[in-house]
Amino acid sequence: DAGVIQSPRHEVTEMGQEVTLRCKPISGHNSLFWYRQTMMRGLELLIYFNNNVPIDDSGMPEDRFSAKMPNASFSTLKIQPSEPRDSAVYFCASSSGLALTGELFFGEGSRLTVL
Amino acid sequence: AQTVTQSQPEMSVQEAETVTLSCTYDTSESDYYLFWYKQPPSRQMILVIRQEAYKQQNATENRFSVNFQKAAKSFSLKISDSQLGDAAMYFCAYRSSPFSGNTGKLIFGQGTTLQVKP
Repeated sequence: DAGVIQSPRHEVTEMGQEVTLRCKPISGHNSLFWYRQTMMRGLELLIYFNNNVPIDDSGMPEDRFSAKMPNASFSTLKIQPSEPRDSAVYFCASSSGLALTGELFFGEGSRLTVL
Repeated sequence: AQTVTQSQPEMSVQEAETVTLSCTYDTSESDYYLFWYKQPPSRQMILVIRQEAYKQQNATENRFSVNFQKAAKSFSLKISDSQLGDAAMYFCAYRSSPFSGNTGKLIFGQGTTLQVKP
């Protein structure tokens, strides 16, 4: 399997612009997670989908952030408008509810820089 | 709510020596998973080892082993025969069992940066 695929790997944008991060989970996985990593706050869960339905979005910082999962093989995380404090590495991860191992498989992350 | 604490921001070890990274967690659940993930400079999150809470036997993966103390809520990682490639940030993580009724999100500690000296 190709693993979790994220795009873009790097994004540099200016404050106020819209940013869209994309994720393709591992085929057959039914849970998808978006995490944000910063030096100050470490790894934070933003939102978690199960069978394409958002289960826990309590980590989404504010209304500027939105996430969708229109089907089992694709998810987006959108920031509009972006701000310098959104600069971080955003990880997408997936897991299989059928597996009893419980582990999450992570993508390589999208590094976002907002100027 | 569950929490994970790594009290060692940085550790260093001489190549070929052994090092132990500490992790404690807080939960009221009886069934859960614990993990150690490695994040090298490439930033890819790589699973090192996992432990199911219902298993009394400590997990082992080659040079990596854990000391799981359920009553003490402690989950330390031991790296034996340290290699230069082990240099990375290590994260301890907790996940509720899918049978617990909780959302199953992975909760991370703050991370420990491991330096390996040649």
